[in-house]
Amino acid sequence: GESVGLHLPTLSVQEGDNSIINCAYSNSASDYFIWYKQESGKGPQFIIDIRSNMDKRQGQRVTVLLNKTVKHLSLQIAATQPGDSAVYFCAENKSGYALNFGKGTSLLVTP
Amino acid sequence: DTAVSQTPKYLVTQMGNDKSIKCEQNLGHDTMYWYKQDSKKFLKIMFSYNNKELIINETVPNRFSPKSPDKAHLNLHINSLELGDSAVYFCASSQEVQIYEQYFGPGTRLTVT
Repeated sequence: GESVGLHLPTLSVQEGDNSIINCAYSNSASDYFIWYKQESGKGPQFIIDIRSNMDKRQGQRVTVLLNKTVKHLSLQIAATQPGDSAVYFCAENKSGYALNFGKGTSLLVTP
Repeated sequence: DTAVSQTPKYLVTQMGNDKSIKCEQNLGHDTMYWYKQDSKKFLKIMFSYNNKELIINETVPNRFSPKSPDKAHLNLHINSLELGDSAVYFCASSQEVQIYEQYFGPGTRLTVT
């Protein structure tokens, strides 16, 4: 079936390095993608979104890239900090105005 | 100034019981959601309400019944609890139906023994 998935379940990076979290999607009809961050014991928190008519969007220390040709989405975090340690989810819009979430990547930032 | 709040935060109960989880948002949003997150962190939409009307009802057992007394509240009632219902349940809200930026509550960890 149609799904959103992540290439790596865990990612470990050193503080100060850049992080890249990848996501593959299979529904070519999706026109909106969103990244969420979930810290331990908390609810998911919106990070950044992108529409299918764009291929790049930048926020504060974060950049989302969308490659519709290969149905790939990535989240880049610049100068990763300990506070960035969390589980990151990509999500796509699905029919009925809901979000279809991927499985999540755990980002661990080491000193 | 909690935007989306849920009560209780933890809920431990026995199989066969009936329980409710409450959710309130003070953001003035029109749309509210319930998600279930399993032990592998997989998040799945259960229900969505827009202005007190049900608009999404995923394949969820009818033991789960959402109720929206007003657009700021969306409660989840679960009958005849089963072991497989153990999960973290998140409430969320968005400004309106086609606005996908959703604000999540802190979650309710339900443990069924």
